[in-house]
Amino acid sequence: DSGVTQTPKHLITATGQRVTLRCSPRSGDLSVYWYQQSLDQGLQFLIQYYNGEERAKGNILERFSAQQFPDLHSELNLSSLELGDSALYFCASSVELGSRSTGELFFGEGSRLTVL
Amino acid sequence: AQRVTQPEKLLSVFKGAPVELKCNYSYSGSPELFWYVQYSRQRLQLLLRHISRESIKGFTADLNKGETSFHLKKPFAQEEDSAMYYCALSRGYNQGGKLIFGQGTELSVKP
Repeated sequence: DSGVTQTPKHLITATGQRVTLRCSPRSGDLSVYWYQQSLDQGLQFLIQYYNGEERAKGNILERFSAQQFPDLHSELNLSSLELGDSALYFCASSVELGSRSTGELFFGEGSRLTVL
Repeated sequence: AQRVTQPEKLLSVFKGAPVELKCNYSYSGSPELFWYVQYSRQRLQLLLRHISRESIKGFTADLNKGETSFHLKKPFAQEEDSAMYYCALSRGYNQGGKLIFGQGTELSVKP
């Protein structure tokens, strides 16, 4: 599958813990986006990386951090987890040429995080 | 602040009926608008974008800057159209790919 892949698909952990979500973009896509989808907030943009550098930041908590590695995969680190962090975390990638974007994002299947 | 509003959480129609999914946005600049769709057990995917002015799977959407709306329409709904639909806004082609999504509308097409 040459699409966006995310691991793990499901994750259950306890409050106060730390987890890492991983994303591999589509082959050739330099941009990676992280979104959080919760029942009450809908799809919220967290952060974007382009070719290893942070491009844009959204409503990302200080307890959360992300990075994009030289091979373009990305990781989203969530620490000091709270019950309210339970959500579906999506990764998406896109083709961008410099600052130009078509606006078409290719989404992964998501990682469902449950904090107990 | 940029915002996308989809007033209906659920829209239920019968097969063959017209369907309109509403989307309103707030943005002071010149936005790019998109409709994304998520079918059952599939990934979220792009359905159409306003700049393309195309019809995809019988759906069309017109950007109305005066009413700040981008409603999605189809004259005759099919059962396979049942899905979750998200309206999304980008600040523009040269402003990066960050999309702001609405809360989504679940379309249910009954036989």
